[in-house]
Amino acid sequence: ETAVFQTPNYHVTQVGNEVSFNCKQTLGHDTMYWYKQDSKKLLKIMFSYNNKQLIVNETVPRRFSPQSSDKAHLNLRIKSVEPEDSAVYLCASSRLGRYEQYFGPGTRLTVL
Amino acid sequence: GDSVTQTEGQVALSEEDFLTIHCNYSASGYPALFWYVQYPGEGPQFLFRASRDKEKGSSRGFEATYDKGTTSFHLRKASVQESDSAVYYCALGDNTGNYKYVFGAGTRLKVIA
Repeated sequence: ETAVFQTPNYHVTQVGNEVSFNCKQTLGHDTMYWYKQDSKKLLKIMFSYNNKQLIVNETVPRRFSPQSSDKAHLNLRIKSVEPEDSAVYLCASSRLGRYEQYFGPGTRLTVL
Repeated sequence: GDSVTQTEGQVALSEEDFLTIHCNYSASGYPALFWYVQYPGEGPQFLFRASRDKEKGSSRGFEATYDKGTTSFHLRKASVQESDSAVYYCALGDNTGNYKYVFGAGTRLKVIA
């Protein structure tokens, strides 16, 4: 049963455009994450939010900006996409601390 | 910084073979250790976790034992099935309060019927 929802499933866009991805979790968790998964299946954490507050901000280009309206929602905006942004973006949630994470199905971004 | 190393990038087995995927970690103290599985077109799914030395985690026939001495958490399954074909990730959750979570590079398992 899916409990972490992501939209859209796929997005194809041109270099320089702006895109936004949405994530919602219904698990009652207080922490949410954005990961980037490349074509080799490497998972890299980008951001972590706890109760709408940014707690982890890895070294990502400034064109990436996360937004959290409440602890159940976490969005990701990319201003002026580049070809290297082509990847699957995975949203996850968990309780804060050393707990397992629950992932959404991902949004596949293709930048032409 | 913390790190997780999965030795095998790809593993190919026949059904009913024994599986071992090696995972070694580098972190201070007692991080929590996890295994996840990812099927095509889906996000990673949590398999199981362990939090202290000698603790065994298990699920769906897979198991791993936390070994602080060798800093390892190797995944094993006695008899694999074609449906086990997927990418497996070892991960650690930092216990120093900075909320870091680190995934290994993943191991692609292909089981041939």
